[in-house]
Amino acid sequence: KAGVTQTPRYLIKTRGQQVTLSCSPISGHRSVSWYQQTPGQGLQFLFEYFSETQRNKGNFPGRFSGRQFSNSRSEMNVSTLELGDSALYLCASSLEGVGEQFFGPGTRLTVL
Amino acid sequence: QKEVEQDPGPLSVPEGAIVSLNCTYSNSAFQYFMWYRQYSRKGPELLMYTYSSGNKEDGRFTAQVDKSSKYISLFIRDSQPSDSATYLCAMSYGNNRLAFGKGNQVVVIP
Repeated sequence: KAGVTQTPRYLIKTRGQQVTLSCSPISGHRSVSWYQQTPGQGLQFLFEYFSETQRNKGNFPGRFSGRQFSNSRSEMNVSTLELGDSALYLCASSLEGVGEQFFGPGTRLTVL
Repeated sequence: QKEVEQDPGPLSVPEGAIVSLNCTYSNSAFQYFMWYRQYSRKGPELLMYTYSSGNKEDGRFTAQVDKSSKYISLFIRDSQPSDSATYLCAMSYGNNRLAFGKGNQVVVIP
């Protein structure tokens, strides 16, 4: 069974630009969560989507948004990039409800 | 005060030693407890998933949860160089919003 895949793996952007990251969950998983990982703050929850609806949201500004498609694939968008947005962005999928979350390899975003 | 505290200090042990890691938490509403392993430049990999207080074993790994003390632990027996990684504790209230500790970098020296 294929794991969680994320594209692209690496991105370099400049301040003020926007970026879209993509996540394909494990087949059959309907929940997709996004996390930001930085050396200073560790792993922080961004939001969770389930059946195309945002179900949980972390404490991030509105520049961070996401969506989920009918095939459970999810995208995350960050607008007006800031230097502090440089991080590893991870997505995780689970079947539904509370369950084990399986992470993808992440997208490494560098903002110059 | 962060919800989940994990002393992020690195840990070096000789091969074959027992590795002991722990986290404390402040919110008694946490119900589910996990340990993840993360290798450099990879995503976190789920090692242990527990719900109730007590011990859970899986091979060389043992997870302990003490809800009365708000304390969880991970023990790795007979540590191997391949166990060298960052170990993250995580917990949730009962949804898919995980709160993570900062992680411990473990180095097992051959």
